[in-house]
Amino acid sequence: GESVGLHLPTLSVQEGDNSIINCAYSNSASDYFIWYKQESGKGPQFIIDIRSNMDKRQGQRVTVLLNKTVKHLSLQIAATQPGDSAVYFCAENGQAGTALIFGKGTTLSVSS
Amino acid sequence: NAGVTQTPKFHILKIGQSMTLQCTQDMNHNYMYWYRQDPGMGLKLIYYSVGAGITDKGEVPNGYNVSRSTTEDFPLRLELAAPSQTSVYFCASSYGGGGTYGYTFGSGTRLTVV
Repeated sequence: GESVGLHLPTLSVQEGDNSIINCAYSNSASDYFIWYKQESGKGPQFIIDIRSNMDKRQGQRVTVLLNKTVKHLSLQIAATQPGDSAVYFCAENGQAGTALIFGKGTTLSVSS
Repeated sequence: NAGVTQTPKFHILKIGQSMTLQCTQDMNHNYMYWYRQDPGMGLKLIYYSVGAGITDKGEVPNGYNVSRSTTEDFPLRLELAAPSQTSVYFCASSYGGGGTYGYTFGSGTRLTVV
């Protein structure tokens, strides 16, 4: 079946470090990818998205990289802050394109 | 704007009981979705709707029903609740469909079936 997975369930970094969260997707037909941030007790919040005709997209302190050859997606957070502590999910639209398919999530812990 | 509003935020349900989780959005989005999130897991699609009067099953629809009588509202009905339905439920909406636009999520309903 279709699935989106993340390489590491947890990531711990020091404040000010750059964080990289990885995601492997399985469906080569997916052409739209999103990263979400979920803080404890809240719903997921949109961070950044990328379409398959791009390799890189930058936002404020965040960059998403897409490698279609190896079906890999990554989220880079620059100068990580304690407020970045959350669970991060990648999602893809899958072959049917009906709805987003979510991975299991990576918990980012930032210590000061 | 309120975005996507879910009620209740928390609920404890007894085995065999039924209840409706409410979801409403004020963004005039045609597309709406229900997901469930189990501990340490990603979100799994229960049902979705592409517009008023149109609904379809997702990955894990058993034990649930939905309706979409208006653009704004997309309630999720649990019939004969089972412990396996203990989860956090998220409603979401999007401007476009086909998973090609980002979602706006509600804050979730934490449901415990005992």
